[in-house]
Amino acid sequence: AQSVAQPEDQVNVAEGNPLTVKCTYSVSGNPYLFWYVQYPNRGLQFLLKYITGDNLVKGSYGFEAEFNKSQTSFHLKKPSALVSDSALYFCAFTPKGGDDKIIFGKGTRLHILP
Amino acid sequence: DGGITQSPKYLFRKEGQNVTLSCEQNLNHDAMYWYRQDPGQGLRLIYYSQIVNDFQKGDIAEGYSVSREKKESFPLTVTSAQKNPTAFYLCASQGQTWGELFFGEGSRLTVL
Repeated sequence: AQSVAQPEDQVNVAEGNPLTVKCTYSVSGNPYLFWYVQYPNRGLQFLLKYITGDNLVKGSYGFEAEFNKSQTSFHLKKPSALVSDSALYFCAFTPKGGDDKIIFGKGTRLHILP
Repeated sequence: DGGITQSPKYLFRKEGQNVTLSCEQNLNHDAMYWYRQDPGQGLRLIYYSQIVNDFQKGDIAEGYSVSREKKESFPLTVTSAQKNPTAFYLCASQGQTWGELFFGEGSRLTVL
């Protein structure tokens, strides 16, 4: 079955350090991949997407993600973490033949320590 | 302001009762979605609609029903057949930019 996996339930990073939130995918054909962020008791906000083209995708709030076909990964990164980056992060994808379906991973909680 | 409005924000229901969650958008988006969020399980797709008067089941449609009579409205009914309805429900729409969903603030349903 097609899916994305977020292997870490929680990631802790000190403020100012680089952060990485991991996502691996198992998707048929060329994947459409996305990252979203959720702040407490709120809806999700779109950060970035990979459809085709450059493997390094830049998004909102200084985040970027690198599509790696050989490792089937789409890790979210930021060079310098802020306390305000603390939130729940979701990787998502569109299944092949799935019309407009967008399927989410289980999420990774990111804690930025001051 | 344009966006997605979900109501009510909090809802309590007795077992055996149906409840309808409202989702309205003024973004002129064609596609709309309902997701359920449970701790540790991420978001799971309940139903989605790509156009008025048409909708498709997602991964966990059992015990839920929807309608799409108007472009701007996509209400979700949680029926008494849903065995574990206590959850956070999120509605979203998608516009011209593929994959960019706009989410409402969510409705938290608690079954007593």
